[in-house]
Amino acid sequence: GESVGLHLPTLSVQEGDNSIINCAYSNSASDYFIWYKQESGKGPQFIIDIRSNMDKRQGQRVTVLLNKTVKHLSLQIAATQPGDSAVYFCAEKKVRDFGNEKLTFGTGTRLTIIP
Amino acid sequence: EAGVAQSPRYKIIEKRQSVAFWCNPISGHATLYWYQQILGQGPKLLIQFQNNGVVDDSQLPKDRFSAERLKGVDSTLKIQPAKLEDSAVYLCASSLVRGSGGAHEQFFGPGTRLTVL
Repeated sequence: GESVGLHLPTLSVQEGDNSIINCAYSNSASDYFIWYKQESGKGPQFIIDIRSNMDKRQGQRVTVLLNKTVKHLSLQIAATQPGDSAVYFCAEKKVRDFGNEKLTFGTGTRLTIIP
Repeated sequence: EAGVAQSPRYKIIEKRQSVAFWCNPISGHATLYWYQQILGQGPKLLIQFQNNGVVDDSQLPKDRFSAERLKGVDSTLKIQPAKLEDSAVYLCASSLVRGSGGAHEQFFGPGTRLTVL
């Protein structure tokens, strides 16, 4: 069945350093992979996605890498800031008929930025 | 642009009671989702609407959960009767219907935190 999992439940990083959050997936039929950030008391917020036929995509301070050979996804955050402290989820998206899309989320990694 | 609105933000009930949650999606978003997020886990899709029709309710416990989106805008999710294991955050999300290409982002509301005692 479908499953998206994360290697580490918690990660602490010094402010200004780079952080890498990893995710393993098992469903090769996914169309997109997405990273969400969830702060306490808020809903998940879209960070960046990558289409399944791509290997790398860059955004502002974030880079997502997709390795389909080993079914591994990672989120790199450059020059971390206190505001980056949150729980990060990877999710896989399957696009279905008529524009309908299904998201399957992993468990999440809590990132803590140390001042 | 206003985001997805949900109410109430918090609800505490006793088991076997009923509860209802309300969601107002972003204006113009045809697709609406309800998710259940148990503490320490990622959100799990309960039901997906496109306009006022149900697209996917395969993971909705239909013996106790129900949802509707009568006019294709607001939606309500109801639990009757509630069980202890229903304690979770209930998230509503909305998105545009996908066009000819690309993925459409799902925008999430702040959620309703339900505690069942």
